[in-house]
Parts: sequence; C-alpha cells; structure tokens
Amino acid sequence: DAGVIQSPRHEVTEMGQEVTLRCKPISGHNSLFWYRQTMMRGLELLIYFNNNVPIDDSGMPEDRFSAKMPNASFSTLKIQPSEPRDSAVYFCASGQDNSPLHFGNGTRLTVT
Amino acid sequence: KNEVEQSPQNLTAQEGEFITINCSYSVGISALHWLQQHPGGGIVSLFMLSSGKKKHGRLIATINIQEKHSSLHITASHPRDSAVYICAVRSGSEKLVFGKGTKLTVNP
Repeated sequence: DAGVIQSPRHEVTEMGQEVTLRCKPISGHNSLFWYRQTMMRGLELLIYFNNNVPIDDSGMPEDRFSAKMPNASFSTLKIQPSEPRDSAVYFCASGQDNSPLHFGNGTRLTVT
Repeated sequence: KNEVEQSPQNLTAQEGEFITINCSYSVGISALHWLQQHPGGGIVSLFMLSSGKKKHGRLIATINIQEKHSSLHITASHPRDSAVYICAVRSGSEKLVFGKGTKLTVNP
C-alpha cells in the first residue's frame, strides 16, 4: 500500500487566497483525521471523519476552515480566506477501528 | 495544564546509551500511542498500547494504567534514533490528545 497520500507537500500563498489541501487515506481505513502542527501548540486535531461522516470538528479554528470527505478515498481541507497565522504543517491520518494511525507526510503551508 | 505531559522536553545522549522518555496523562484512556517524527516531518506510529508492555526491536513501551503513566525506552541508542517522540492518548472517542513531544538527539 502507498500509505496516506497528501498533496501538495508545500504550499506558499498570499493572505486572502483560498487554500485546498488533499488527502487520500489508506484503502479500507474507516477513520480519517486532519491535524495541524505548529511550534507553539504542537499537534492538534482539527476534524475527524468516520465512514466519511464528520464526527468531531471542534478543533476547526474558525469558519474559514472547512473539510469534506465525499467518498472513502478522498478528503479535502480548505481555508478561505487564508491568513498568516494559518501557516503550519497539516497532517492527514487514517485508521481502522482500534489499529494504530497512519500519517501522511504532511503539507507545509506558508501564508505570507 | 495539558492533559498529556511528556518529560524531558529535550534529551541528548551518546550512542549506545539507554534512553527513557516519560508520558503522564490526567484522563481515563482507552489507548496510548507513541509516535516518532523525524526531521523532515514524517510521523510514524511506533506503538499503540492499553496495558502492559510492548517491544519492537530496540524499542520498548510500557504503561501503568493505575498511575496514568507510560514510558518509552530505547536500548543501545543510535544517531538514527534522533527524532521527536510524541505521546498521544485516546479517551473514549477516536480523538487523540497529544503531548508536546520529546526531542531526542543521539550523538555518535
């Protein structure tokens, strides 16, 4: 299996622009997680899906953030409009029931 | 107070030394994870445990549910073990709460 695939690996954008991050989970996994990592706050859960349904989005910082999972093999995290404080590494992870999580390589977002 | 506390925050060791990283948590949990993050950013799950002890190669993870404490041990440490080690706990739901991580540097 190719593992969890995230794109792009790096994204540099200007404040106010829309940013879309993409994730392909491991086939057969029924849970998908979006995390954000910063130096100040470490890893934080933004949202997670179970069987394509959003279960907990309490970590989504503002209405500027939205996430979708239209099918079992694809999810997006969108920031509109982006702000410099959104700069971070965004990780997607997938899992199955009580198994360990598998993380993607992350997307490093820089908003100038 | 963070729900998951790790110590030490930074650790420097000489190659060959025995390493211990500690994790304490304040909530009831269904599972505890140890993760490894190398420079360059990729995160790998090392262990998931809910009781007792697990071993994989030179890595050993233990957990004491009563004391709400887990340790990650590395025997015969090597420079390639240099990474950030993150403890995360799951309580009830699928949601993980993460510690701040321990940055380990193993010098040759």
